Amino acid sequence: GAVVSQHPSWVICKSGTSVKIECRSLDFQATTMFWYRQFPKQSLMLMATSNEGSKATYEQGVEKDKFLINHASLTLSTLTVTSAHPEDSSFYICSASEVAAFFGQGTRLTVV
Amino acid sequence: GENVEQHPSTLSVQEGDSAVIKCTYSDSASNYFPWYKQELGKRPQLIIDIRSNVGEKKDQRIAVTLNKTAKHFSLHITETQPEDSAVYFCAASKGANQAGTALIFGKGTTLSVSS
Repeated sequence: GAVVSQHPSWVICKSGTSVKIECRSLDFQATTMFWYRQFPKQSLMLMATSNEGSKATYEQGVEKDKFLINHASLTLSTLTVTSAHPEDSSFYICSASEVAAFFGQGTRLTVV
Repeated sequence: GENVEQHPSTLSVQEGDSAVIKCTYSDSASNYFPWYKQELGKRPQLIIDIRSNVGEKKDQRIAVTLNKTAKHFSLHITETQPEDSAVYFCAASKGANQAGTALIFGKGTTLSVSS
């Protein structure tokens, strides 16, 4: 299947700082990518749809000023968690689709 | 909004038995239904998917059935093995699936296969 790569795999940051997570489609072009959040032993919750060359579409309840999404090219979307707080600690995972959706490795964010 | 219900939340079977996981979806426009397997700390891996123009699909020990009228779809694993132990998620496309459609996930089923 298609390859989606996410970086970093894990990150620890201090409260108040910002963290950038990258999602790349390695062998296909993705005009649309998706960002999910997963709490321990829970399901994947769709946060936003990242659209190449235009604004992201956020799900209800997701703060667009806190979770900044940029999709500057057909192979790269970035999620920046701004002014991170401990409650932002979670597993963030992106996906991109050709026909089926393939996921990145995920990023374990811990805010201390 | 769109919703996907998944049952059971946990499932324990003996090696060699069959396992069935069931999901229902709310969005009548959904037309793509993938199933993912997720091992602890790893990314979800697509194991099988089905589109609304098909009622059943099979791949070796794994099969998926879809009842579009009832908005039900199910995953069937036969001859289970310990390595099938993982969390399984069903999902439905948010609206009609084209290349690049968001998925709405069920809450997951933790499958444990004991030898």
